[in-house]
Amino acid sequence: GDSVTQMEGPVTLSEEAFLTINCTYTATGYPSLFWYVQYPGEGLQLLLKATKADDKGSNKGFEATYRKETTSFHLEKGSVQVSDSAVYFCALWSIIQGAQKLVFGQGTRLTINP
Amino acid sequence: DVKVTQSSRYLVKRTGEKVFLECVQDMDHENMFWYRQDPGLGLRLIYFSYDVKMKEKGDIPEGYSVSREKKERFSLILESASTNQTSMYLCASRNAGWGESGEQYFGPGTRLTVT
Repeated sequence: GDSVTQMEGPVTLSEEAFLTINCTYTATGYPSLFWYVQYPGEGLQLLLKATKADDKGSNKGFEATYRKETTSFHLEKGSVQVSDSAVYFCALWSIIQGAQKLVFGQGTRLTINP
Repeated sequence: DVKVTQSSRYLVKRTGEKVFLECVQDMDHENMFWYRQDPGLGLRLIYFSYDVKMKEKGDIPEGYSVSREKKERFSLILESASTNQTSMYLCASRNAGWGESGEQYFGPGTRLTVT
């Protein structure tokens, strides 16, 4: 079935460092891809998404590009802030045998130190 | 502002109790979902509902049931709580039709401890 694999966490960086969180997927066809973020004590929020190959999703300084050839959707940010500390989830929209759902990676905990 | 609310942020129940987790959305969404979140496993889908009175099993439905009597409310029921159901439970609703990816909006979660 469809699946998402994220880089193992936790990830700890200093403020203003460059961030990459790797995400690769296995899926039938070309699913829409998402990054969700979960701040401490809160539910998940959509951070960005891309619906087709070569699309770039962006929000709050974060970017991710839908790479069909490498089946990847890596999350990047040029200069992280303490407020970016959260858990980040990569996900894909799966439609299999008449059922449609989000399939999530295991999450990557990011901590930014001042 | 879109809102998905869950009845409790923290809940402690005893083994064997029947547990109800309530979720309400005010966005008139047709689709609603229940997930559980466990460290290292991400989010796993328990049940979902495409419309009122409809329900579909997700990936891990064993030990759970759901009820959707009204469009805005989706309840998760643990018929006889067990310690392996200790987890964070997240409800979500979705703003798109069939075949569209749309966006899922999540509630803040209920952290359930079964002792």
